[in-house]
Amino acid sequence: AQSVTQPDIHITVSEGASLELRCNYSYGATPYLFWYVQSPGQGLQLLLKYFSGDTLVQGIKGFEAEFKRSQSSFNLRKPSVHWSDAAEYFCAVGSRGGGNKLTFGTGTQLKVEL
Amino acid sequence: GAGVSQSPSNKVTEKGKDVELRCDPISGHTALYWYRQRLGQGLEFLIYFQGNSAPDKSGLPSDRFSAERTGESVSTLTIQRTQQEDSAVYLCASSSGQGFYGYTFGSGTRLTVV
Repeated sequence: AQSVTQPDIHITVSEGASLELRCNYSYGATPYLFWYVQSPGQGLQLLLKYFSGDTLVQGIKGFEAEFKRSQSSFNLRKPSVHWSDAAEYFCAVGSRGGGNKLTFGTGTQLKVEL
Repeated sequence: GAGVSQSPSNKVTEKGKDVELRCDPISGHTALYWYRQRLGQGLEFLIYFQGNSAPDKSGLPSDRFSAERTGESVSTLTIQRTQQEDSAVYLCASSSGQGFYGYTFGSGTRLTVV
């Protein structure tokens, strides 16, 4: 069965600092991988996704993520964090076929200090 | 509609009562998903509808949970005899049914069982 691990429950960074959120997955084949952001009281917004091809994926709001098959990782990065980036971030893996269900990690809560 | 619409946005119910949650998917989206997000947890898959096919109910946690969808329209998730552990945010998503393209989440219904 597929699974996703986000080892950091909470992360605090200063505004303007760089950010990396970790995500490790378990899946028997090449996965579909996603990062979502959830602000308080909001639904999930897709930041970026990896299906195939270039392993460095660019997303919205200046985020990027790199798929590393050897490490089963899909870490999210941003070179300079803005206060508005404070939110909860979820990594997810999607099964190929079988209904396109998503399996989510437990999330990383990002706090940005001004 | 332009996005996935869920109602109500908040619901407080007494333990033992039945509740119905509604999801209105993006027009033309053939696939519809329900997920549950308990406090401090990632999202858990509950049920998936694809067109007129039999739904995938593999994520429903108990027989108190059921869902219906007529064709490619509105879906309702019903929880009978609610328990306190049912308190969560219930998120609906819809997609075009072609893999993960256009997979869009609603803002969710926050259910509190008192």
